[in-house]
Amino acid sequence: EVQLLESGGGLVQPGGSLRLSCAASGFSFSNYAMSWVRQAPGKGPELVSGISASGGSASYAESVKGRFTISRDNSKDTLYLQMNNLRAEDTAVYYCAKNPYSGSYYWFDPWGQGTLVTVSS
Amino acid sequence: DIVLTQSPATLSLSPGERATLSCRASQSVSINLAWYQQKRGQAPRLLIYEAFNRATGLPARFSGSGSGTDFTLTISSLEPEDFAVYYCQQRYNWPYTFGQGTKLEI
Repeated sequence: EVQLLESGGGLVQPGGSLRLSCAASGFSFSNYAMSWVRQAPGKGPELVSGISASGGSASYAESVKGRFTISRDNSKDTLYLQMNNLRAEDTAVYYCAKNPYSGSYYWFDPWGQGTLVTVSS
Repeated sequence: DIVLTQSPATLSLSPGERATLSCRASQSVSINLAWYQQKRGQAPRLLIYEAFNRATGLPARFSGSGSGTDFTLTISSLEPEDFAVYYCQQRYNWPYTFGQGTKLEI
């Protein structure tokens, strides 16, 4: 069974940083692209970033470009999201999700349980 | 960015009834559209990809149709566990975007 377990969320002040992690199990992690998707309270999901299976290619939403960095460690079956210069509008539940292929982020299946990031002073 | 507009915002039905949920794209997305179900306090779950392909294990009462700009998710006979929020998502153009959701309530 595919399992994705996020960690690292919490309360941070505007301008601060957080690093999210997503531990994967139940599938060959190094063969699949992975993504981070966030959902603000009462809103629809928003794709934040995706990374190819090898880690050699990544894409970002304009709203986080230059502030967030996605990475992965295939030896540890773990996905990361480094979030810098956080803003109030980054407050959301952050989900990691598995993509169907190695080099594209077409759809998301499955999703982890999510980790809440709150940006507030 | 491609905007996905879902209608209605809320759909009130009873178990056993047929549900028809709509998703309209601001430009053609071919068949590059997925549907997700989200229950309260849970992560979204993939239901349909590429407009009409059912995800593994999805009951046959769920079906997707459409192409271009107009898409439909149909639940042929509602079960109690189907009452949730449903989102569509396009993967035609980056950034991939989601609709604002349709809440299916009893």
